[in-house]
Amino acid sequence: GAVVSQHPSWVICKSGTSVKIECRSLDFQATTMFWYRQFPKQSLMLMATSNEGSKATYEQGVEKDKFLINHASLTLSTLTVTSAHPEDSSFYICSAGEWDTDEQFFGPGTRLTVL
Amino acid sequence: AQSVTQPDIHITVSEGASLELRCNYSYGATPYLFWYVQSPGQGLQLLLKYFSGDTLVQGIKGFEAEFKRSQSSFNLRKPSVHWSDAAEYFCAVGSGTYKYIFGTGTRLKVLA
Repeated sequence: GAVVSQHPSWVICKSGTSVKIECRSLDFQATTMFWYRQFPKQSLMLMATSNEGSKATYEQGVEKDKFLINHASLTLSTLTVTSAHPEDSSFYICSAGEWDTDEQFFGPGTRLTVL
Repeated sequence: AQSVTQPDIHITVSEGASLELRCNYSYGATPYLFWYVQSPGQGLQLLLKYFSGDTLVQGIKGFEAEFKRSQSSFNLRKPSVHWSDAAEYFCAVGSGTYKYIFGTGTRLKVLA
């Protein structure tokens, strides 16, 4: 089956620094990638949708200047949390879909802790 | 508006008992429906999915779900729960190129 990886699996950073999370589709070309955020004991909330080679579409209330998304190739998307603050601490999950399938394939998630 | 509702936040069952987790959706088009399971600190694991055809869908780990268009429901069932089934369960609607909408989740506790 289709495999999506995320790196790192967990990261701890100081307040004010930036953190980059990578999402890779290992065995298929992902025309669309999605970034979700999950707070403890809550559901997943979509942050943004990105299509290869174009700007990401952010959900209402998500700061695009804070959460930078780059989808430079069909197998890689990155999420950069800029000037991270403790309230950005969360579980970030990416998923990837391809144009001819009807489902997304999820990465294992990245736990971000901002001190 | 598109939405997914999981009415039960918590469910507790005894090991060996049957299980049904409810999911109702509101979606403009023909929905693609999914059930995922998530253990603490882990990612999502797909249990089963419905795209079209037979409305009773078989999944992994002995789970099944039935799509009922008239009731806008996609309930998850298992005839005999195992202690290892304790986890969070999410129902979702979406597609490969369109965002998923997740329900709020149902936390399953299994009593020995």
